[in-house]
Amino acid sequence: KNEVEQSPQNLTAQEGEFITINCSYSVGISALHWLQQHPGGGIVSLFMLSSGKKKHGRLIATINIQEKHSSLHITASHPRDSAVYICAVKRGNQFYFGTGTSLTVIP
Amino acid sequence: GAVVSQHPSRVICKSGTSVKIECRSLDFQATTMFWYRQFPKQSLMLMATSNEGSKATYEQGVEKDKFLINHASLTLSTLTVTSAHPEDSSFYICSASKGGAWDTQYFGPGTRLTVL
Repeated sequence: KNEVEQSPQNLTAQEGEFITINCSYSVGISALHWLQQHPGGGIVSLFMLSSGKKKHGRLIATINIQEKHSSLHITASHPRDSAVYICAVKRGNQFYFGTGTSLTVIP
Repeated sequence: GAVVSQHPSRVICKSGTSVKIECRSLDFQATTMFWYRQFPKQSLMLMATSNEGSKATYEQGVEKDKFLINHASLTLSTLTVTSAHPEDSSFYICSASKGGAWDTQYFGPGTRLTVL
């Protein structure tokens, strides 16, 4: 069993749809990252969360430390949002990564 | 701001040779740099964390004599894959942070290594 589980693994949406990607983890952590990896491999760190909620443009990330769960929401999705979204947590000196959610937004 | 570059972007080498990959923070000083590898259709795997001027901390299962990491300055870290073998073929990505491991990480574009 992976320490970090993401769902769904693959997601196809129509442009404009509201998208939610979920991340559950089984270890105690102090904070969590959401990463975006574009085709070709470039990675961008979207959010680092330790509690509550953060918003950046059309992206919103929430975390519930007690329930060991985080969600990444994309409002008014656009084809340029097509990418792999990775949830990552750190516990002590150990990093744990989810396997990613591949999002395709169709025009 | 906060741009990280990697060089080369792609490298093909023969089995048994050594390959050096550079990671540079272009517009900030990186106290901490991280090296990851990624197998096809799999997520990132952290290989090691390095702080400027000190030895890298390797993750469990990563051979430090095989993957030599040097963080000689606040803007440059290098990963050398020694005596490369086909199973070392992978996508290697570095990231850098201004603070420690839980500061925002800025990722490089990655280096595709193919060992023949």
